[in-house]
Amino acid sequence: DAKTTQPPSMDCAEGRAANLPCNHSTISGNEYVYWYRQIHSQGPQYIIHGLKNNETNEMASLIITEDRKSSTLILPHATLRDTAVYYCIVRVAWDSGYSTLTFGKGTMLLVSP
Amino acid sequence: NAGVTQTPKFQVLKTGQSMTLQCAQDMNHEYMSWYRQDPGMGLRLIHYSVGAGITDQGEVPNGYNVSRSTTEDFPLRLLSAAPSQTSVYFCASSHRQGGAYEQYFGPGTRLTVT
Repeated sequence: DAKTTQPPSMDCAEGRAANLPCNHSTISGNEYVYWYRQIHSQGPQYIIHGLKNNETNEMASLIITEDRKSSTLILPHATLRDTAVYYCIVRVAWDSGYSTLTFGKGTMLLVSP
Repeated sequence: NAGVTQTPKFQVLKTGQSMTLQCAQDMNHEYMSWYRQDPGMGLRLIHYSVGAGITDQGEVPNGYNVSRSTTEDFPLRLLSAAPSQTSVYFCASSHRQGGAYEQYFGPGTRLTVT
């Protein structure tokens, strides 16, 4: 699976949008981009995934560049409860054979009042 | 649905003892995995299963055994506990959605080996 690069930490004011970048310049055509987060002491939580198109769900939006070499996770109105480590992960599609998630160190997002 | 459940939540073992961490899911997911997380680190894969009766090793399998006799359960066995196995252990299950996977994690088991 392709490697990802994320900033180690970011700050965001409560109520503002949090934009978390991820670089995955070696991504292959059959690899999806996933985002998970881990709130302190809890299990990781799935947020969103995408292949080529931008995606939105009730938690966040995922913007993938046209060349697919980078992506941005957007939390539109960050709250204090969004303080967590955010992981960007690239993983092959299931029809390429099962592959497991490889977690890096992620981005520590601190949302402040 | 309870999702992914893990027991116990906390455990203290002495060096050399054995124990089994339990993991169960009620979502009928094919795939299950065990990870460990050490302080300040990301998660590392121990073992995984792609279906009942099928398991494989992950990144850090030494000292651990798994089996998958049913779709629902995926226990992790520590054969002879060592202080290096002090960690937080997460179980996860996943299923396919389109070409992708959605993976769900349990709340974790915090293990201390003295």
